[in-house]
Amino acid sequence: AQSVTQLDSQVPVFEEAPVELRCNYSSSVSVYLFWYVQYPNQGLQLLLKYLSGSTLVKGINGFEAEFNKSQTSFHLRKPSVHISDTAEYFCAVDNLSGGNKLVFGAGTILRVKS
Amino acid sequence: ETGVTQSPTHLIKTRGQQVTLRCSSQSGHNTVSWYQQALGQGPQFIFQYYREEENGRGNFPPRFSGLQFPNYSSELNVNALELDDSALYLCASSAPADTQYFGPGTRLTVL
Repeated sequence: AQSVTQLDSQVPVFEEAPVELRCNYSSSVSVYLFWYVQYPNQGLQLLLKYLSGSTLVKGINGFEAEFNKSQTSFHLRKPSVHISDTAEYFCAVDNLSGGNKLVFGAGTILRVKS
Repeated sequence: ETGVTQSPTHLIKTRGQQVTLRCSSQSGHNTVSWYQQALGQGPQFIFQYYREEENGRGNFPPRFSGLQFPNYSSELNVNALELDDSALYLCASSAPADTQYFGPGTRLTVL
């Protein structure tokens, strides 16, 4: 069984500052990793995913994440945030034969202040 | 927009009633998954349908059931509603072994 821990429930940050949202996972098998964003009263939008290959993954809206197998982490970063990045962010895992049966973390609310 | 639509947007039911939620998949997608997102929590996998057959189920009781139709649209049925069933219900469609695309969700309130 897999599990996902998002280490911060809320992250406040000023506009144009860098941000890192932390995600650790637990799994006995190799996994695929995902970050999704959820704006208020909306569904989930895929930001980026790691399937294999380069451990640095670039996504939409200037976000990137780095897969670290030894630390079982997949932290999300953005070098300069905008007010419009205010949303809830979810890290998720799927095992290699899971077929899109994702296990999500509890989410991190990113609040960007002006 | 992902092309995945859900109806209704909001729904209020009372404890003990039954509810049906609907999902229309993105064109070309034959796999649909349903998730429950309680307030302040991440989504939890309920079950998945592939070509009209259940293809995996999470830790949800049998009163949560589903259907997938030949056009790959889907329903989630919940019987004997409980207060804890209040949540946002998300469906997600995908082609086999491809990225899931989520719909906007149905907000269910059980009173």
